[in-house]
Amino acid sequence: AQSVTQLDSQVPVFEEAPVELRCNYSSSVSVYLFWYVQYPNQGLQLLLKYLSGSTLVESINGFEAEFNKSQTSFHLRKPSVHISDTAEYFCAVVSSASKIIFGSGTRLSIRP
Amino acid sequence: DVKVTQSSRYLVKRTGEKVFLECVQDMDHENMFWYRQDPGLGLRLIYFSYDVKMKEKGDIPEGYSVSREKKERFSLILESASTNQTSMYLCASSYLQGVNTEAFFGQGTRLTVV
Repeated sequence: AQSVTQLDSQVPVFEEAPVELRCNYSSSVSVYLFWYVQYPNQGLQLLLKYLSGSTLVESINGFEAEFNKSQTSFHLRKPSVHISDTAEYFCAVVSSASKIIFGSGTRLSIRP
Repeated sequence: DVKVTQSSRYLVKRTGEKVFLECVQDMDHENMFWYRQDPGLGLRLIYFSYDVKMKEKGDIPEGYSVSREKKERFSLILESASTNQTSMYLCASSYLQGVNTEAFFGQGTRLTVV
């Protein structure tokens, strides 16, 4: 069975500092990997995705994630965070059966 | 603009009531999902459907059922609501196969069972 592990439930950082949100998955088959973001009182929206090709994927607001097959990881990074990045971030994996499995989420809080 | 619409943002129901949560999508997606979101547990899959009248159990189907009579609509039913079903419920939809398997989410329904 597939699973997604987000080891950090909360990550506090100072504004303009770098951040890494960790995600590891387990799967015996090819997967698609996603990061979703949930801003306060809103639904989830896609941040970025890895489907194939380049292992480094980027979002329009400065986040990036790198697919590492040997370590079964898909960590999310941003070199300099902003107050507006305060949100909960979910890593997700999609199998060939199109079932979407989510991690438990990481709450990113930005301190001024 | 693509849309997944959940019928209610907030609901308060009594223990033992039958509760219907409705979800409609306008993207002609084959897949539809119901998740519940609880602090520290992330999103847990209750049921999903990959076609009209087709459904599969997710990780926590107990106490729930679903109905998909039309492609655009997926209903979650709590047969007899209990206090441990107080939660945020999220509906999502996606294409069945292919590279564009991004899921689109509704705004969520916060259900309180008293």
